[in-house]
This record gives sequence, structure tokens and C-alpha cells, in this order.
Amino acid sequence: ELKVEQNPLFLSMQEGKNYTIYCNYSTTSDRLYWYRQDPGKSLESLFVLLSNGAVKQEGRLMASLDTKARLSTLHITAAVHDLSATYFCAVGETSGSRLTFGEGTQLTVNP
Amino acid sequence: DAGVTQSPTHLIKTRGQQVTLRCSPKSGHDTVSWYQQALGQGPQFIFQYYEEEERQRGNFPDRFSGHQFPNYSSELNVNALLLGDSALYLCASSPSHTSYEQYFGPGTRLTVT
Repeated sequence: ELKVEQNPLFLSMQEGKNYTIYCNYSTTSDRLYWYRQDPGKSLESLFVLLSNGAVKQEGRLMASLDTKARLSTLHITAAVHDLSATYFCAVGETSGSRLTFGEGTQLTVNP
Repeated sequence: DAGVTQSPTHLIKTRGQQVTLRCSPKSGHDTVSWYQQALGQGPQFIFQYYEEEERQRGNFPDRFSGHQFPNYSSELNVNALLLGDSALYLCASSPSHTSYEQYFGPGTRLTVT
């Protein structure tokens, strides 16, 4: 059974600081997704990583994938309040579209 | 393109009742997956439909059932509702069952009292 673990589960940051969220998974996969969720809302797709060594960046967020270590990271650079949300990583089946999600990281950026 | 749509947005039901949630996939997509997201948790896979059949199923009891119509839209039915069924139900569509592309709908918030 595929397991996906995120850490930390809760993260309180000061504006302007950098931090990294980690996502570990238990079985082989080359499909890793990062989503953002605001309270009471659905999932907003941030990144899809499809190969070992993949790196994608959008604004203050950068995601990477190491399939050999079964690890993905979401790096936040110079955090701003608008980044406050819950971030989920999800691992996809190699041959299908079913996703297994982590527990989520609740990020709060304080002024 | 309207994207993935779900209805209703919210609903409140009583324990023991039955509920039907609906999902219309993105145009051109033939695969629909359903997820349950309890408060404070990550979404959990319920099942996936393509070619009008349930193809994969997560760890959910038989009270959860579904259907896919010829136009690829889908329904999720939950019988004998329990308080623990209160959650956000998310529908995701994909161009095919092997595609990495996933598009989530806005969700249906179900409250069971």
C-alpha cells in the first residue's frame, strides 16, 4: 500500500523567510503533484513532476523530485502572507490516474 | 470550457438518509475519480470510473456506490449516511485512465446531522 508522508504538518513562518516542505512516499512512482488548498475551497494545482530530477518554479514556490530517494520538496522563498494555505503532495500511480495524498502542511505566514 | 463542475455545492442530510452527488468532467475527458476529504485531512480515493464501469476502488464500504453515464458525467451515491460521512467530496477528471493530468472540481460539502 502506497503511503505518503509530509512534514512538517504545521508551519508558522515570518514574512521574508525561506522554508521547505518535505514529501516522502513509500513505493516507486514518477508522478508527483503539489496542490494548494484555501479554507473551504477545492484543490488548486501548483506543480506536476514527472521525472527524476524534475524541478519547477512558479513565483516564490519551487518544487523538485528525487524518485530514487522517493522524496519531493516544496521550497518557499521570501514568504508573503498570501501564501498562507494548506499544501498537499500527492503521488500518482505510474500507469493510472489514481492519487494518494499526504496529510497536508498547514502554512501560516505572519507579518 | 467550464472545467469540472459538481452539484450541489452544499447539502445537509440526516443520519440514515441517502445522498447523490453529481460531477461533470472537463470537456474531452472520459475518466472520473471521486475523493473524500474529511476536515483536517488529505483527500482519500473512493473510486474511479471510465467506460461506464468502476475500475478502481479505495478502502470504502459498499454504502458508497457510483455510476458513469454515456456522456462521461458521474454520480456518487452514499446510503445509510453516518456522521463520519460528513466531508468535502471532490471529483477529478482526466483525459484517460492512464493520463497524469488531473483536474479537480469545486467540491460538494456534505454535512450529516
